Amino acid sequence: QKEVEQNSGPLSVPEGAIASLNCTYSDRGSQSFFWYRQYSGKSPELIMFIYSNGDKEDGRFTAQLNKASQYVSLLIRDSQPSDSATYLCAAGEGGKLIFGQGTELSVKP
Amino acid sequence: DAGVTQSPTHLIKTRGQQVTLRCSPKSGHDTVSWYQQALGQGPQFIFQYYEEEERQRGNFPDRFSGHQFPNYSSELNVNALLLGDSALYLCASSLGGQTGLYGYTFGSGTRLTVV
Repeated sequence: QKEVEQNSGPLSVPEGAIASLNCTYSDRGSQSFFWYRQYSGKSPELIMFIYSNGDKEDGRFTAQLNKASQYVSLLIRDSQPSDSATYLCAAGEGGKLIFGQGTELSVKP
Repeated sequence: DAGVTQSPTHLIKTRGQQVTLRCSPKSGHDTVSWYQQALGQGPQFIFQYYEEEERQRGNFPDRFSGHQFPNYSSELNVNALLLGDSALYLCASSLGGQTGLYGYTFGSGTRLTVV
């Protein structure tokens, strides 16, 4: 059973701080990884994808991938209250995604 | 350019009934995947339709079935509803049967409540 595991949280950070979200995956054959943000009662929206080892930056967001450790992370710099949501990590498996259970992030003003 | 559209938005059904959910993919996409998201959980893959055929299936019973039409739109049918089928049902579209390197675009979902 291929799995993606995330810290369940909730993770609480003050406004302006760095939020760090972590994810591990079981299948060494996984090649692509995705971070989705989901506000309460809404559908997931894609924030970033990464498929090469190392860091990928997009604005305040940085995704990190370490295939040797089977580890993916998402850093959110200068966290804002509007970043408060559940963050879902997913691994691509052919035509489908395998999701973790999500980490709830709360950014306090 | 329309994104992924799902209908209905909310639905309440009684145990034992049958339900049909509908999805129209994003313009230019030909592949539709369905996911079930229970409260507090990540989405779970149900199945994927490409070229009007079920291409992949997750660990869901045969009560869950689907269909894809020539215009690429899709239906998800659930028979003999159980209380545990209460969830947010998400439709995602992509191209060529793959997530590619860019993931999915999800629709807004259908919230199904079974009472």
